[in-house]
Amino acid sequence: AQTVTQSQPEMSVQEAETVTLSCTYDTSESDYYLFWYKQPPSRQMILVIRQEAYKQQNATENRFSVNFQKAAKSFSLKISDSQLGDAAMYFCASLFGNEKLTFGTGTRLTIIP
Amino acid sequence: GAVVSQHPSWVICKSGTSVKIECRSLDFQATTMFWYRQFPKQSLMLMATSNEGSKATYEQGVEKDKFLINHASLTLSTLTVTSAHPEDSSFYICSARLGRPPYEQYFGPGTRLTVT
Repeated sequence: AQTVTQSQPEMSVQEAETVTLSCTYDTSESDYYLFWYKQPPSRQMILVIRQEAYKQQNATENRFSVNFQKAAKSFSLKISDSQLGDAAMYFCASLFGNEKLTFGTGTRLTIIP
Repeated sequence: GAVVSQHPSWVICKSGTSVKIECRSLDFQATTMFWYRQFPKQSLMLMATSNEGSKATYEQGVEKDKFLINHASLTLSTLTVTSAHPEDSSFYICSARLGRPPYEQYFGPGTRLTVT
């Protein structure tokens, strides 16, 4: 079975600073996708960033970037220049082939003004 | 990005009644939709996978006779909670998946169900 682990239930960061959220996964597959989703207080799930396993280059979306370490099965999310609107639950998720998403337990991120 | 709507956004129903939740992909066709349940401060729990034109596939422990799923078209899936009880009160989220790699899922805004 595929598993996704987020070891940080809660994180906080000062506004304008940088924070990294951790995620590890376990799979025997060679082709898969990894995602970070954000769930703000509105509870709308929003796709933040996506990484294809076959790509060595780390994905970047504006202030959001990932550190994808395939051998270590690690997929961390870095948020630069943190803003108040970044406060949310962040879920790491994996997708293997044409199957269902496997979610981690989430990390609640608080932004300190 | 692709948009998924969900209706209603919140509903209150009496114990013993049934309630239907609709999930629509507004600007793309989704052969596969998913239904999740989320308890407070927890992750999303997959209830079932809904494929257009075929029976839904339920996760272990989910009562298929209680949570009826219909996916009659490429843009609409419905979840009907039958004979609702207070323990069915929860936040229900649907998602629709693109039919090509990377198979991204787009989520609806969720439905808060309260059974009194």
